[in-house]
Amino acid sequence: DVKVTQSSRYLVKRTGEKVFLECVQDMDHENMFWYRQDPGLGLRLIYFSYDVKMKEKGDIPEGYSVSREKKERFSLILESASTNQTSMYLCASREDSWGYTFGSGTRLTVV
Amino acid sequence: AQRVTQPEKLLSVFKGAPVELKCNYSYSGSPELFWYVQYSRQRLQLLLRHISRESIKGFTADLNKGETSFHLKKPFAQEEDSAMYYCALSGRPGGYQKVTFGTGTKLQVIP
Repeated sequence: DVKVTQSSRYLVKRTGEKVFLECVQDMDHENMFWYRQDPGLGLRLIYFSYDVKMKEKGDIPEGYSVSREKKERFSLILESASTNQTSMYLCASREDSWGYTFGSGTRLTVV
Repeated sequence: AQRVTQPEKLLSVFKGAPVELKCNYSYSGSPELFWYVQYSRQRLQLLLRHISRESIKGFTADLNKGETSFHLKKPFAQEEDSAMYYCALSGRPGGYQKVTFGTGTKLQVIP
């Protein structure tokens, strides 16, 4: 019954590495999102996409980029990982006027 | 700009007591409002939407446009209600949908 799948549950990366977080949804949704979740800060939008090859910056895009080559897949890229990017990353997809369906999250630790 | 405020980081109530999780928003248009819940070690999931005017797991939330609030209420708390709750607002700045989350309130139901 899993509809939004994030490829890794836990990741540990070194400072300066390029990191790819993958997300796949099987609901044929057009809208996909990447958030990071931090205690006391809630969920903050990094990037979102409303169509293949389309992307929009969210509230905190610095240090991140995204790729959406296929409708079902939305990738988050950390160009050069830093310790302040240690966080829980949540992918979500959405049909208009409905709520999000979230993935189970990727807990990234940058050392 | 759209904003969601959840003033309480932690709310502790005894089992059987009423629960009210506060949410205030700022948005110039007609918002769509949601409550999401995250139980321990589970993914974030939609609890309810204001346009549905539904009751889920005994929870209700009424949109008060005059007070710009969307408080989540339950008359009798259960231990299984212990979780993290996020209020979210969906608006259309710039023509595309954007969802903004509050910082979350942790509900702790004491047996």
